[in-house]
Amino acid sequence: QKEVEQDPGPLSVPEGAIVSLNCTYSNSAFQYFMWYRQYSRKGPELLMYTYSSGNKEDGRFTAQVDKSSKYISLFIRDSQPSDSATYLCAPHPGGYNKLIFGAGTRLAVHP
Amino acid sequence: DTAVSQTPKYLVTQMGNDKSIKCEQNLGHDTMYWYKQDSKKFLKIMFSYNNKELIINETVPNRFSPKSPDKAHLNLHINSLELGDSAVYFCASSQASGLATNEKLFFGSGTQLSVL
Repeated sequence: QKEVEQDPGPLSVPEGAIVSLNCTYSNSAFQYFMWYRQYSRKGPELLMYTYSSGNKEDGRFTAQVDKSSKYISLFIRDSQPSDSATYLCAPHPGGYNKLIFGAGTRLAVHP
Repeated sequence: DTAVSQTPKYLVTQMGNDKSIKCEQNLGHDTMYWYKQDSKKFLKIMFSYNNKELIINETVPNRFSPKSPDKAHLNLHINSLELGDSAVYFCASSQASGLATNEKLFFGSGTQLSVL
């Protein structure tokens, strides 16, 4: 089993839709959970960061972590065409360890 | 000003050739990385350097050799290129002396390597 799994998509939604992007992981040592966004032909950039279980909101974006089921979600409200990108989840065990990325989910928001 | 810049953006070459990719960061960060993103978009770490010292070396063929002349530069040299080396290679940097808990990575725009 891969350490981090994401549905690669593509996920195509109309503008204004609520988007749910999900990620599962296998290592119960993961404590910190990041979402990176990658536009086409660009490097990833950190979008959100969450510690342990719970929710974190930042504007139209909400990150949710359920450690009991090892499930991570990113919700995008009122999605915009500019949200069209690949979203990579990246859990981290804490301390000095390398970051492991999921394969990413490609999102297309059409006007 | 580009924070993490890598050159070239595109690299097309024949099998068996030797090529280099250069990376520079102007963020004053201590740690730099090379990542490889394959056709399925998996992003995997290859190497990490902290203040010119190698700290992460994943299972990468020894045809790949990183070189860090100073903490602002991390170059990647690849010998005897193979078809399977075709991928996008990303350079990244982070502030602290290792990949600590919530450390933010700053990525370059990538180098698309195509081996024919």
